[in-house]
Amino acid sequence: SQQGEEDPQALSIQEGENATMNCSYKTSINNLQWYRQNSGRGLVHLILIRSNEREKHSGRLRVTLDTSKKSSSLLITASRAADTASYFCATDAFQLSNFGNEKLTFGTGTRLTIIP
Amino acid sequence: KAGVTQTPRYLIKTRGQQVTLSCSPISGHRSVSWYQQTPGQGLQFLFEYFSETQRNKGNFPGRFSGRQFSNSRSEMNVSTLELGDSALYLCASSPSSWGTYNEQFFGPGTRLTVL
Repeated sequence: SQQGEEDPQALSIQEGENATMNCSYKTSINNLQWYRQNSGRGLVHLILIRSNEREKHSGRLRVTLDTSKKSSSLLITASRAADTASYFCATDAFQLSNFGNEKLTFGTGTRLTIIP
Repeated sequence: KAGVTQTPRYLIKTRGQQVTLSCSPISGHRSVSWYQQTPGQGLQFLFEYFSETQRNKGNFPGRFSGRQFSNSRSEMNVSTLELGDSALYLCASSPSSWGTYNEQFFGPGTRLTVL
């Protein structure tokens, strides 16, 4: 079953604009990660944010996490054609009795298209 | 360091056959996870291995199995293939003994087609 749901499912913007994707999840988590996937290939890790963090930056990426709303957002600034890909959030549900042995649960993904 | 490698990259099988997929993690990584990706179900966790032990398992039938060797290389096996097993199978490794607590490094995947 999907833990995370991304919104929107698809997004098309002009090159140079900012892109924002949202992720909602259902249970308490240890961390939330964002991954990028190009055309059915392997996933590339973008950024990880711990449950006790609220915001994190990496280059043109900005991730926020609101554990009270069980949601996260990924902002890509100054988008480029190379950013065209599917973006997934992934969470590992906190389990006190099994800490360290959690599994990653992926959301449904946002398909981002950057128009040159 | 070389990335995660998966072999074969593409595979075509017929219903009822079995298949074995291989994954070599990044050197030094001891945690290996497997995922199935399909258009309908998205990315789903299959299992995770650490030091040759399966630590966690997703909601897949017993036809899906795996193992990890002492050099951390991992294999997954699917027996009695069904059409619905057609998918991209992704392997990921992690440098942490805490599995998914840190970032996962994914391989390019094996595209399995069942006819």
